[in-house]
Amino acid sequence: NAGVTQTPKFQVLKTGQSMTLQCAQDMNHNSMYWYRQDPGMGLRLIYYSASEGTTDKGEVPNGYNVSRLNKREFSLRLESAAPSQTSVYFCASSESPDSGNTIYFGEGSWLTVV
Amino acid sequence: GQSLEQPSEVTAVEGAIVQINCTYQTSGFYGLSWYQQHDGGAPTFLSYNGLDGLEETGRFSSFLSRSDSYGYLLLQELQMKDSASYFCALPNFNKFYFGSGTKLNVKP
Repeated sequence: NAGVTQTPKFQVLKTGQSMTLQCAQDMNHNSMYWYRQDPGMGLRLIYYSASEGTTDKGEVPNGYNVSRLNKREFSLRLESAAPSQTSVYFCASSESPDSGNTIYFGEGSWLTVV
Repeated sequence: GQSLEQPSEVTAVEGAIVQINCTYQTSGFYGLSWYQQHDGGAPTFLSYNGLDGLEETGRFSSFLSRSDSYGYLLLQELQMKDSASYFCALPNFNKFYFGSGTKLNVKP
């Protein structure tokens, strides 16, 4: 029962470096999401993918790119990391949000940009 | 757009009942969900209300009033393990929007 798996769990980057966060789900869900969570704040949507082959911007997309590689995998790329991108990143998936279906989260990736 | 408001922190004693409120604004309503997140962990689903009224799941209940754009999460017989952050969330056409969360502190 893996659910949503994301890697790496922890990463330290220098300003200007690039990296990709990987995410995979094994629940055959159509929708996948990337959120960031800053201390004392809620989850803010970065990008989402309603189905394989489609991606759309969320609330805070600047500085990020995504790829929906196939139905299982949805990656998040930071092209030139900035200290403001220090955060916890959560990948998530759902069958479809329209009927209130549950959204399932990965364990999170703690990213520090110095 | 969508917005959700909930109190930032609530404190209660073990065995008590606590209510966490959520008011929302949304352009299209598909229900209100609640999620729990322990420190260092991932959010996990607790409850969903698609229609007005009360939904009960064990010690947890959730209420929705669509006319008031308001909902709450009710936790009964509080236990120390209920200390966590609780988020209300709006599913909205291919997206889920989350409130900023309510940190619940349960004291002995």
